[in-house]
Amino acid sequence: AQKITQTQPGMFVQEKEAVTLDCTYDTSDQSYGLFWYKQPSSGEMIFLIYQGSYDEQNATEGRYSLNFQKARKSANLVISASQLGDSAMYFCAMREIGSNYKLTFGKGTLLTVNP
Amino acid sequence: DTGVSQDPRHKITKRGQNVTFRCDPISEHNRLYWYRQTLGQGPEFLTYFQNEAQLEKSRLLSDRFSAERPKGSFSTLEIQRTEQGDSAMYLCASSFGTNTGELFFGEGSRLTVL
Repeated sequence: AQKITQTQPGMFVQEKEAVTLDCTYDTSDQSYGLFWYKQPSSGEMIFLIYQGSYDEQNATEGRYSLNFQKARKSANLVISASQLGDSAMYFCAMREIGSNYKLTFGKGTLLTVNP
Repeated sequence: DTGVSQDPRHKITKRGQNVTFRCDPISEHNRLYWYRQTLGQGPEFLTYFQNEAQLEKSRLLSDRFSAERPKGSFSTLEIQRTEQGDSAMYLCASSFGTNTGELFFGEGSRLTVL
């Protein structure tokens, strides 16, 4: 079974608008971490935001926020005020307890920001 | 530049040849990971080092693959007798014992096997 599911292969958004990228996860652990990474065409994975399973507040980092719904096992990324430079692949990832801190990634969503 | 660096960035080789990739992690990071990413997929875990000890290997890491991290600094990933199915981006990441434990990735080494 997939541990991380990203159901949107591609998304389009107009510049300056907000966009939500979906992510659902599957784990039986009580303690886990959720991450979002951005991968531009250059290939480097860039860390965006982190949410711990025990964090009561949704994580925010600048224009990025994570809509964490624990009961639904979802961790959607919201990008506000999209910019052309946001066009990239976005990956959701999970770290489970006892996993040697490694991350398990979803298949990603390709975001295209239109001018 | 104090980020994770990987070399070479691109490698084209013929089937059956051996290739080696190098990763230099961020200097104070004790954890090092190798991932493989094929087209249209997310990165898949290959192996993990804590300092110089290789503590975990994925089933994806066949016996043609070997990874080392001598002295707990840089790491190498060698693929022997390459096959066309080995064509992928090989990503290296490092981390330290922070609260979030995010991984810092290099720009990857893209392998094409002809």
